[in-house]
Amino acid sequence: QVQLQESGPGLVKPSETLSLTCTVTGGSVSSYYWTWIRQPPGRGLEWIGYIYNTGSTIYNPSLKSRVTISIDTSKNQFSLKLSSVTAADTAVYYCAREVNELFDYWGQGTLVTVSS
Amino acid sequence: DIVMTQSPDSLAVSLGERATINCKSSPSVLYSSNKQNYLAWFQHKPGQPPKLLISWASTRESGVPDRFSGSGSGTDFTLTISSLQAEDVAIYYCQQYYNTPRTFGQGTKVEI
Repeated sequence: QVQLQESGPGLVKPSETLSLTCTVTGGSVSSYYWTWIRQPPGRGLEWIGYIYNTGSTIYNPSLKSRVTISIDTSKNQFSLKLSSVTAADTAVYYCAREVNELFDYWGQGTLVTVSS
Repeated sequence: DIVMTQSPDSLAVSLGERATINCKSSPSVLYSSNKQNYLAWFQHKPGQPPKLLISWASTRESGVPDRFSGSGSGTDFTLTISSLQAEDVAIYYCQQYYNTPRTFGQGTKVEI
């Protein structure tokens, strides 16, 4: 059974960089696409972007200038960095696997609050 | 970006009754070469990640009760819960995977 677990600081100061890691167990990040999705409080789901095992990435144009997704196949992890954060970036951040265009496995999500 | 619009935003249904959620895409998510609709439905309960219920507009995922069904093509889609159970209280999202960025509807809250 594939499992994903997000980790990282739950509080980030405005203008700083949000950094999260997703650890995958029961499967390998050397296959499929690995995705970050977020949900601001009281709002809907927003796709941030994904990475393939080759390191190729596609980002949401709305966030592209601030987002970096990377992958570490040796640790079976992938990561998200979002720079210059504001209160609007406060959200539950999910990592997920995309197989045949479908998000089939998700992490439990982690709340990141942007506040001084 | 493909815009996904759901209706209604919320609905209250009695136990055992039918719940119907609509989703409209702009533009179409029907891929002409393979006649497939790149449309999924998710169920999202508080404190849990979204759960994939239906893919390709009408294919129920393994383990999903058969009271859940999806229909539609092109730009107009429907998720139907034929006989609402207490455990179905959740927010439901449609999502297109026709292209990137992947986009979701705003969600429909289903209550008893």
